[in-house]
Amino acid sequence: GIQVEQSPPDLILQEGANSTLRCNFSDSVNNLQWFHQNPWGQLINLFYIPSGTKQNGRLSATTVATERYSLLYISSSQTTDSGVYFCAVDGKIIFGSGTRLSIRP
Amino acid sequence: EPEVTQTPSHQVTQMGQEVILRCVPISNHLYFYWYRQILGQKVEFLVSFYNNEISEKSEIFDDQFSVERPDGSNFTLKIRSTKLEDSAMYFCASSEGLMGYGYTFGSGTRLTVV
Repeated sequence: GIQVEQSPPDLILQEGANSTLRCNFSDSVNNLQWFHQNPWGQLINLFYIPSGTKQNGRLSATTVATERYSLLYISSSQTTDSGVYFCAVDGKIIFGSGTRLSIRP
Repeated sequence: EPEVTQTPSHQVTQMGQEVILRCVPISNHLYFYWYRQILGQKVEFLVSFYNNEISEKSEIFDDQFSVERPDGSNFTLKIRSTKLEDSAMYFCASSEGLMGYGYTFGSGTRLTVV
C-alpha cells in the first residue's frame, strides 16, 4: 500500500515564526488532505489539495503530485496553531504519522 | 458549514460490554467511514460504507465490529465485546464521492474500556 511520511516529527517554534511541514507519499494519489488535530483531539480539515496551491489566511499548501510530496506552510504562527498536523492520502485515506507543532509564546 | 456529528463525545465501558458509537454524516454525502486513533498514535482506517454495504475494511475490523445505517441519517459502529485495547478515539467521516472530494471528520468519540 501507499506509504506516507511526514517531517519533521516534532517542531518547536516561537510565536510569530514561520514553518514548513512536509508530506511525502510513495505512489500517485487522487486525494490528499491536511488536517490539524487540536489539543482536544478534534480533526480539523485544513486543505483538500491533490495538486496545486491553496491559501487560507496564514496557512497555505502546495502539492506537487508528479514528485509525490505536499507542503504545508504556516506563517506568523500563534499558540493556537499548536497540535499535530496530519497529511492523509487517497481513497480510504491513509494518514501519515503527523508533525507535532508546539508554539511557545 | 455542514458538520459530521458524533455522539457521545466520551464513553466509558466495562470490558466485555457492547458499545454503539453514533454518527450523523453530512446529508448529501454518500460515503461513510470509521477510523480510530489509539492515544499518541496515527489515525487508522477501519471501514468504509457505501450504498448500504461495507465497501472496504481493514484487518482491524474483525468480527467484533459491525456498522449499520439504520435510517436515512445515522451511521453506527458497534463493538460487541469490548477489550482494553479497544480504548481509543473513534472518528466518523463522510464524503460526497470517492475521487475529487475531501473527507469531513466528526469530533470523535473517546472510548475508554476499563
